[in-house]
Amino acid sequence: KAGVTQTPRYLIKTRGQQVTLSCSPISGHRSVSWYQQTPGQGLQFLFEYFSETQRNKGNFPGRFSGRQFSNSRSEMNVSTLELGDSALYLCASTPQGGSGNTIYFGEGSWLTVV
Amino acid sequence: GENVGLHLPTLSVQEGDNSIINCAYSNSASDYFIWYKQESGKGPQFIIDIRSNMDKRQGQRVTVLLNKTVKHLSLQIAATQPGDSAVYFCAENSGNTPLVFGKGTRLSVIA
Repeated sequence: KAGVTQTPRYLIKTRGQQVTLSCSPISGHRSVSWYQQTPGQGLQFLFEYFSETQRNKGNFPGRFSGRQFSNSRSEMNVSTLELGDSALYLCASTPQGGSGNTIYFGEGSWLTVV
Repeated sequence: GENVGLHLPTLSVQEGDNSIINCAYSNSASDYFIWYKQESGKGPQFIIDIRSNMDKRQGQRVTVLLNKTVKHLSLQIAATQPGDSAVYFCAENSGNTPLVFGKGTRLSVIA
C-alpha cells in the first residue's frame, strides 16, 4: 500500500510568487491535514480537510489556503510568498480524522523562498 | 504550536543501552497520543500510539507509558541502535481536533 505522496519534494520560489503543493493520501483515507515545520516554530497545523470540506484551520494568514478533491487528493496554496514561508510542508492522512485514528505523514515538500 | 528551536533537548545514549524520551502535555482532554520519529530530511514516521484508557503499550523494542495524573508521556526504546538516531516528537489530540505536537527531542546514539 503506497504511503502519503507529496509533490514536488523541493522547490525554490521568489518573494511575491505563489506556490501550489500537492498531496495524495493513503488509499482509502479521507482526511488530509497540512503542517508547516520550521526550526523556530516546530510543527504547526495549517488545516484539515475531510470529504472535500475544511474541518479545522490553524492560525495562519489568509495567504495560506487549501482544498480537497473528490478522490481525497489535496492541494495547498501559498500566495504572495514571504521569506518566512520557507519551510518543510508536511501532508498527513488518516481514514476518518479525529482522535484515535493513526495519522501518517508524507516526506514533505521543501519550500525555499528567496 | 509548540516551539521546537534549533537547540532541541538532546539525549545521548550508548549503543545497546535503553533510551527514555519524555513528553509533557497540557490538554487534560487529550485522549489519543502518538510518538513520531523524524530523520533528517524526512517526514515524521509513526512509531506507536496509545489511547487514554491505557497506561502502557508495547511494540517492537518500544514501549509507551502514559500518566494522565501528571500529564506525562514517555517513549522507551530497548537496546538502542545507531538507526534510532533521530528527532522524536510526541503528539496529542481529542475528538476532531488536529494533532498538537510537543517539543522534539534529539536522540543521538553513540556507537
